Amino acid sequence: AQSVAQPEDQVNVAEGNPLTVKCTYSVSGNPYLFWYVQYPNRGLQFLLKYITGDNLVKGSYGFEAEFNKSQTSFHLKKPSALVSDSALYFCAVRAPRNDYKLSFGAGTTVTVRA
Amino acid sequence: DGGITQSPKYLFRKEGQNVTLSCEQNLNHDAMYWYRQDPGQGLRLIYYSQIVNDFQKGDIAEGYSVSREKKESFPLTVTSAQKNPTAFYLCASSIRHETNEKLFFGSGTQLSVL
Repeated sequence: AQSVAQPEDQVNVAEGNPLTVKCTYSVSGNPYLFWYVQYPNRGLQFLLKYITGDNLVKGSYGFEAEFNKSQTSFHLKKPSALVSDSALYFCAVRAPRNDYKLSFGAGTTVTVRA
Repeated sequence: DGGITQSPKYLFRKEGQNVTLSCEQNLNHDAMYWYRQDPGQGLRLIYYSQIVNDFQKGDIAEGYSVSREKKESFPLTVTSAQKNPTAFYLCASSIRHETNEKLFFGSGTQLSVL
């Protein structure tokens, strides 16, 4: 079965500092990996995805993520965090030939303080 | 503007009552999904539909029912058999199910039990 782990419930950083949100996955075969962000009382918004190719993926709002096959990780990063980045972040994985269903992690709450 | 509309934003259910959550999309997407969000548990798939008049159970379908009579609409009924219905419900769509295209989410419905 496929699964995603987000080991940190909360991440707190100061504005202007680098932000990292961790994600590890378990899946048979090559994974398709996604990051979504949820602002308070809203639906999720797509940030970026990794399907194949370059291990460093760039997405919306200055975010990027690095796929590491040996560590089965897909950490989300932003070089300089903004207060407006405060939100709930979800990592998700889809395995090929598994009904194409997405499995989401439990989410990481990011708080960026001014 | 294209997007997904969920209504109502807040819904209260009395014991033994069935309630229906509305989801409408004007993105011309084939696939639609219902997820349940509980704090600290991420998103869990309830039902999904790949095309009109077709739908499949997700990971937690018990106590829920859906229909897909029109491409634009995918209502979710929370039946009295769902003993713990209090949660945030999210509807999503994608161009097709069998792709790695991103999901578009509605703003959600918060269901509470009176």
